[in-house]
Amino acid sequence: NAGVTQTPKFQVLKTGQSMTLQCAQDMNHNSMYWYRQDPGMGLRLIYYSASEGTTDKGEVPNGYNVSRLNKREFSLRLESAAPSQTSVYFCASSETGPQPQHFGDGTRLSIL
Amino acid sequence: KNEVEQSPQNLTAQEGEFITINCSYSVGISALHWLQQHPGGGIVSLFMLSSGKKKHGRLIATINIQEKHSSLHITASHPRDSAVYICAVKQGAQKLVFGQGTRLTINP
Repeated sequence: NAGVTQTPKFQVLKTGQSMTLQCAQDMNHNSMYWYRQDPGMGLRLIYYSASEGTTDKGEVPNGYNVSRLNKREFSLRLESAAPSQTSVYFCASSETGPQPQHFGDGTRLSIL
Repeated sequence: KNEVEQSPQNLTAQEGEFITINCSYSVGISALHWLQQHPGGGIVSLFMLSSGKKKHGRLIATINIQEKHSSLHITASHPRDSAVYICAVKQGAQKLVFGQGTRLTINP
C-alpha cells in the first residue's frame, strides 16, 4: 500500500538552481495538491489539480510551476530556487468532492 | 486574523488524561478535517466531518456549525498520542485552509 510517494525526501540547493519534486499516487484519485509547511504557519496550498490535464493556483504559487503528467503523477518545479522557498513540501491526493486527503511523507528542501 | 484558529498551541499532559483541542473558523465551510502529524513528519487524516460527532477508538471529533467551532477529544491519553494535531476547513470544492496546529505531548 504505497499511497502517495514523494521524491526526494531531502534536498539542498543553491540559490538560482532548479529542481523538480516528484509525486505519485496509486489510489486512482482525481485531485492532487502541493503544499508547503513553514514553522509557525499552517500548511499552505501552492497548486492543485482537480483532474488530469488541469491545474490551478493556490495561496502561494509564485516561484513554482506544476505539471499533471497523468492521473498518477503531479510534479512541482522550482525554476530558480530562492532561500524563501526553504520549507517542507507535501503532496496530497483525494477523490473529488468532500473527501479526506492522503499525504505523502514530505520533502525537506533547503535553499542556501 | 487567521481564518482557522486552534487552541491551545501547545499542550502537555500526563498519561491517562482527557485531552481537548479546539478549532474555531470564520468562513463558510463544506467540511472540517482533523489531521495528525507525527514527529517524523508524516500527516494522517483522522476525521472529516460536516455535522455532529464522529468517534474512532479513543478519538472523538465534534463540530458545531452554528458556532463555527470544532473540538478533538482524546480519552485515556497515551504517550504515542504525542503529535501535532491540525484542523483544516474545506471551502468550496477544493481548497483546504489549515490551522497552525496544536503540539500535544503526553508524558508517561
